[in-house]
Amino acid sequence: SQQGEEDPQALSIQEGENATMNCSYKTSINNLQWYRQNSGRGLVHLILIRSNEREKHSGRLRVTLDTSKKSSSLLITASRAADTASYFCATDGGSNYQLIWGAGTKLIIKP
Amino acid sequence: EPEVTQTPSHQVTQMGQEVILRCVPISNHLYFYWYRQILGQKVEFLVSFYNNEISEKSEIFDDQFSVERPDGSNFTLKIRSTKLEDSAMYFCASSEMLAAEKLFFGSGTQLSVL
Repeated sequence: SQQGEEDPQALSIQEGENATMNCSYKTSINNLQWYRQNSGRGLVHLILIRSNEREKHSGRLRVTLDTSKKSSSLLITASRAADTASYFCATDGGSNYQLIWGAGTKLIIKP
Repeated sequence: EPEVTQTPSHQVTQMGQEVILRCVPISNHLYFYWYRQILGQKVEFLVSFYNNEISEKSEIFDDQFSVERPDGSNFTLKIRSTKLEDSAMYFCASSEMLAAEKLFFGSGTQLSVL
């Protein structure tokens, strides 16, 4: 079954604006993570939020988690050209070892 | 900063051939993984490895796949008889303590099966 669906699929904004991406999932989780992938490269961990947390900040990143709605959002404030990448949410789906990934949001920051 | 390294970056093979993808995880990490990403599709879990044995594997990871940690540093994925549908980017990852948390990924091996 599919788990972890991001929306929008693609987002194009001007540099300096805020970017918000959303993720929905289907099963219960222990944590939800966000990763970034630059074109053709590996995935880079950005932030992890646990199921008993509602909000978490890291630099220009703000993540929220609503377990009742099985959804999360990633906000990038004051976007920069270097933020251009694909962003993926990943959940553990209750597993100890595997992550289940969303389809990703492709973010383009226009200078 | 320590990183996960993967070789080769690109691998082209004929259908039915065996391939071995190589990875060097971060040295103090305990959990190792293989994921793959078919072009334009989601990242898919293949297998996790802990304490010298497979801890979890997906339906994709059938008898054609195997993993090995032949020494203290390398972690390999072998596909015995490649199929066209095995064409994908294969990512190795490792994590330090708790499994499935804060994975460090390599840059991937792009496998093309012709």
